[in-house]
Amino acid sequence: AQRVTQPEKLLSVFKGAPVELKCNYSYSGSPELFWYVQYSRQRLQLLLRHISRESIKGFTADLNKGETSFHLKKPFAQEEDSAMYYCALSGRGTDKLIFGTGTRLQVFP
Amino acid sequence: DVKVTQSSRYLVKRTGEKVFLECVQDMDHENMFWYRQDPGLGLRLIYFSYDVKMKEKGDIPEGYSVSREKKERFSLILESASTNQTSMYLCASSSRASSYNEQFFGPGTRLTVL
Repeated sequence: AQRVTQPEKLLSVFKGAPVELKCNYSYSGSPELFWYVQYSRQRLQLLLRHISRESIKGFTADLNKGETSFHLKKPFAQEEDSAMYYCALSGRGTDKLIFGTGTRLQVFP
Repeated sequence: DVKVTQSSRYLVKRTGEKVFLECVQDMDHENMFWYRQDPGLGLRLIYFSYDVKMKEKGDIPEGYSVSREKKERFSLILESASTNQTSMYLCASSSRASSYNEQFFGPGTRLTVL
């Protein structure tokens, strides 16, 4: 079955600390993986996708097919990173996304 | 800039009422989606439409129906609202021509069923 697991509901760190939001997936085939973010009172938006291999707002995520993981990392958290983060999966040839349950990141000053 | 708008930010209805949630996108996207967002459950797909008059059930279609008469508009209908349909409803759209498969979301409608 296709599934995205985000084991942490809440992650709290202090400003300047490293951040890692975990995402594991289950999919038979080659999926496309995404991270979406929702800041307070804003709409859900794409943060980054694995095929782009990009760094957005200091965040990176590497697809590890052996561990079926796509963890989101940032070396030094900022207060403005506080938000809800969703990991999502799309199968090849499909336009639908499967979302995880989300992790709320709180960055304290 | 892609713009997805939803007809209401907040809606309060009574049990048994018929409820319409409207979504409009202005980027000529083929795909449109309705999700509900609940704490601890994430986003769950209710229905998906890949073309006018075409629809596909998502993971939780029970109690809902949809209508897509025009490309830019996708409506979610609660035939007889129940309290367990109290939730945040998100609409999204995406382009089938794009290789990135990015979905663009509306601001959401928070529905309360009393």
